[in-house]
Amino acid sequence: LAKTTQPISMDSYEGQEVNITCSHNNIATNDYITWYQQFPSQGPRFIIQGYKTKVTNEVASLFIPADRKSSTLSLPRVSLSDTAVYYCLVGDIRGTGGFKTIFGAGTRLFVKA
Amino acid sequence: DAGVTQSPTHLIKTRGQQVTLRCSPKSGHDTVSWYQQALGQGPQFIFQYYEEEERQRGNFPDRFSGHQFPNYSSELNVNALLLGDSALYLCASSLPLHMSGTAYYEQYFGPGTRLTVT
Repeated sequence: LAKTTQPISMDSYEGQEVNITCSHNNIATNDYITWYQQFPSQGPRFIIQGYKTKVTNEVASLFIPADRKSSTLSLPRVSLSDTAVYYCLVGDIRGTGGFKTIFGAGTRLFVKA
Repeated sequence: DAGVTQSPTHLIKTRGQQVTLRCSPKSGHDTVSWYQQALGQGPQFIFQYYEEEERQRGNFPDRFSGHQFPNYSSELNVNALLLGDSALYLCASSLPLHMSGTAYYEQYFGPGTRLTVT
């Protein structure tokens, strides 16, 4: 399973764009990249998932370079409610035989007023 | 549609005791995964159940066992509790990607059960 490395913490101000980068140098050909958000005392919540290039949804964008050894989660115009821990996960999501999901330590984002 | 539900919310046990935690998956989901999350750390994968069988397992001792019922609900059992088992236990449900009807695979997490071992 590919190991991921993220910054431990980041600070931002309301209204700014936040970019969190995740390194996954050993990503395998069949691996996808997924980001989750977690608030205190709650379960993680799915944000976005991608395989290559750029993926965008109503919440965030995910940028994946051609070598796929890293990825960047972009949160546009953050608000105080975006203060949370963000996890980057890498793995093959297509199997029906079950697969492990490995969370790293995550990035603690603190948004200030 | 109720999402993933877990019971109980909180639990206090004594070292050496046994505990059973329960999870009901999101409606229509057939795969259940369990995670242990210690304070300040990311969730650690315990195991995953699909079609009532344990399909994948993380690095947890045999004291951790589980079960999935025909209605897809699941139980996590922990025997001979240790102080280090104190954590938030999370359950997540999902569908295989080819059945999800979407282009992505998503796990839906419950609120967790906070287990304290004294």
